[in-house]
Amino acid sequence: EPEVTQTPSHQVTQMGQEVILRCVPISNHLYFYWYRQILGQKVEFLVSFYNNEISEKSEIFDDQFSVERPDGSNFTLKIRSTKLEDSAMYFCASRKSGVIYEQYFGPGTRLTVT
Amino acid sequence: DQQVKQNSPSLSVQEGRISILNCDYTNSMFDYFLWYKKYPAEGPTFLISISSIKDKNEDGRFTVFLNKSAKHLSLHIVPSQPGDSAVYFCAANNNAGNMLTFGGGTRLMVKP
Repeated sequence: EPEVTQTPSHQVTQMGQEVILRCVPISNHLYFYWYRQILGQKVEFLVSFYNNEISEKSEIFDDQFSVERPDGSNFTLKIRSTKLEDSAMYFCASRKSGVIYEQYFGPGTRLTVT
Repeated sequence: DQQVKQNSPSLSVQEGRISILNCDYTNSMFDYFLWYKKYPAEGPTFLISISSIKDKNEDGRFTVFLNKSAKHLSLHIVPSQPGDSAVYFCAANNNAGNMLTFGGGTRLMVKP
């Protein structure tokens, strides 16, 4: 069964450094998402991406964040200058087009900012 | 912002019995609801969904009920199995699927 994959599984970085989290969505899916879950808190929406552009973003997704689909398979989340409060699990998700709203999630990347 | 709430942080059930997980929402614009299951160190796994035009959807041991007037949904698992032990999240969707709003999760423990 096709799966969403994410790399790395764990990333440790120093405050102020740039990080890129990578995702390979399910191949026939057209909508792509990033969510995050800070330890002990809810899963929160960050951004959705369709047809090579951002379709919606949350308040969390400020100028420090960007997303890109550099080729036909990868979907990346970049944090330009990490802060301690960016430490969280970051989940990538994807879904098919049309009225099928189920989103399928990857295993997550644990980001630790020190 | 508590648009989706799961009021029970945990639930313990005996193997073979029914598990009922509850979820309430406040935003009447939500039109599609999903349940996810999550094991530690893994991503949420989609379980079952329901559109706001229905009041029930069933898939094997899992049934989701939606009460729109009460803005309440529930997930029934019958019979419960030890492998069902996980955290269960309800999520709601509006605006043609652009984002999911999650509840805080309920940890289900199924005892053998």
